[in-house]
Amino acid sequence: EVQLVESGGGLIQPGGSLRLSCAASGFTVSSNYMSWVRQAPGKGLEWVSVIYSGGSTYYADSVKGRFTISRDNSKNTLYLQMNSLRAEDTAVYYCAREVKGYSSGSFDYWGQGTLVTVSS
Amino acid sequence: SSELTQDPAVSVALGQTVRITCQGDSLRSYYASWYQQKPGQAPVLVIYGKNNRPSGIPDRFSGSSSGNTASLTITGAQAEDEADYYCNSRDSSGNHGDVVFGGGTKLTVL
Repeated sequence: EVQLVESGGGLIQPGGSLRLSCAASGFTVSSNYMSWVRQAPGKGLEWVSVIYSGGSTYYADSVKGRFTISRDNSKNTLYLQMNSLRAEDTAVYYCAREVKGYSSGSFDYWGQGTLVTVSS
Repeated sequence: SSELTQDPAVSVALGQTVRITCQGDSLRSYYASWYQQKPGQAPVLVIYGKNNRPSGIPDRFSGSSSGNTASLTITGAQAEDEADYYCNSRDSSGNHGDVVFGGGTKLTVL
């Protein structure tokens, strides 16, 4: 059974750093396109970043230069390193797996989300 | 980056058919995917590709596309279909690695 379990969220002051983890089971992270998607309180979904199976990474303009997506193949885990956090980064962060073989950015499995609150 | 536009809210009478639309230039190059999200829950994929339903999604959900507009149709809406619906696709402008979401449509079943 495919499962994604995020962790690492919490309350952090503006300018601080946080690393989110997404532990996967039932499939191999490194063989799939994996993304982070966030949702600010009461708002819609916002794509944050993707890492391809080949290792290429892409970021939304809103986080470029501040966030870094990575994976640990030995732990089958996806990460999101978030630096220089701002109040507007406050959101529930989901990791999500793309449907294999489709290039359209379809996410077939999602974690339960982890809440990041940036506030002083 | 591209944008995907959705109507903020749509309503449908119980048992009737409703269409939720999503417009954007990226839909000329990529199929839209559709997600259902209920309060406090993660999104669930309901339609992807030309018109594919993941396992467990009722066949009252269907998708279609024409030009720069994608549609999600629910035929015979049920009370449990009341939720927020989001479309998304890969971004066709600039960085094709990027993904874009629509703003979401709140569906009310009357």
